[in-house]
Amino acid sequence: DQQVKQNSPSLSVQEGRISILNCDYTNSMFDYFLWYKKYPAEGPTFLISISSIKDKNEDGRFTVFLNKSAKHLSLHIVPSQPGDSAVYFCAAASLFKTIFGAGTRLFVKA
Amino acid sequence: DTGVSQNPRHKITKRGQNVTFRCDPISEHNRLYWYRQTLGQGPEFLTYFQNEAQLEKSRLLSDRFSAERPKGSFSTLEIQRTEQGDSAMYLCASSPPGVATNEKLFFGSGTQLSVL
Repeated sequence: DQQVKQNSPSLSVQEGRISILNCDYTNSMFDYFLWYKKYPAEGPTFLISISSIKDKNEDGRFTVFLNKSAKHLSLHIVPSQPGDSAVYFCAAASLFKTIFGAGTRLFVKA
Repeated sequence: DTGVSQNPRHKITKRGQNVTFRCDPISEHNRLYWYRQTLGQGPEFLTYFQNEAQLEKSRLLSDRFSAERPKGSFSTLEIQRTEQGDSAMYLCASSPPGVATNEKLFFGSGTQLSVL
C-alpha cells in the first residue's frame, strides 16, 4: 500500500525559474511531512518539513505547502539553481516511522 | 566527521552467504533506523531502535534478517542466506531524543549490497 505517492518521476526546469514538486498521501494520521534531497552515492539529507497543523513553511528558496483536505503537499524552489539537481523524496512521519515516496528527479538546466 | 557512518560502503556476495553491515549513529542520538532502498523507489522502513530496544520491525524484515543494537550505540544488520532479491542499498538513520515524532532523520551514505 503506497501511503505516499510522487507521481512525477522527473522534472526539468530552467535555471532561475520555479520548481514545483508534488506529493500525495493517503493517511490522515501523519504528524509531519518532510522533503529530503538525495545526490548519487549519498544518503538522503533533510531539506524542509511541515507540521500537520500548518499549511506553509518557508526556508530561504524552499517553501512547502500542505493541503490537508486534498492530502497533498508540494515543494517550491525559487529560484532554481543547477546545484538543486537531485532526487527529491517526499516523506510522511508518524511516531517513529517515516514513509517515503518513490522520489522525483529534478534537473535544473543552466 | 560527526555524521552517521555506515560500513562497508559496498558489499558483493554470492547467493546463500551471510552478510553483516554496521551503522554508527550520531553520538547523542538515541533513535536508530534501518531502511532499504531499491532502484527507482524511496527508502522502505525495516526496523527501529530506541536505545538498545528494538521497538518495531517491518513485515519486510523476514526471519533471515536480524538487527541488533547491543549497547544503544552502534547497530548491526545481518542477512542470512542472502538471495538475489536482497540486492539493495541499506540505509541507516538516526534522530535525537525528544518527544516529537520523526521530524528529521539523519542518514548515512548507505551500504550497497549486490548478491550474485
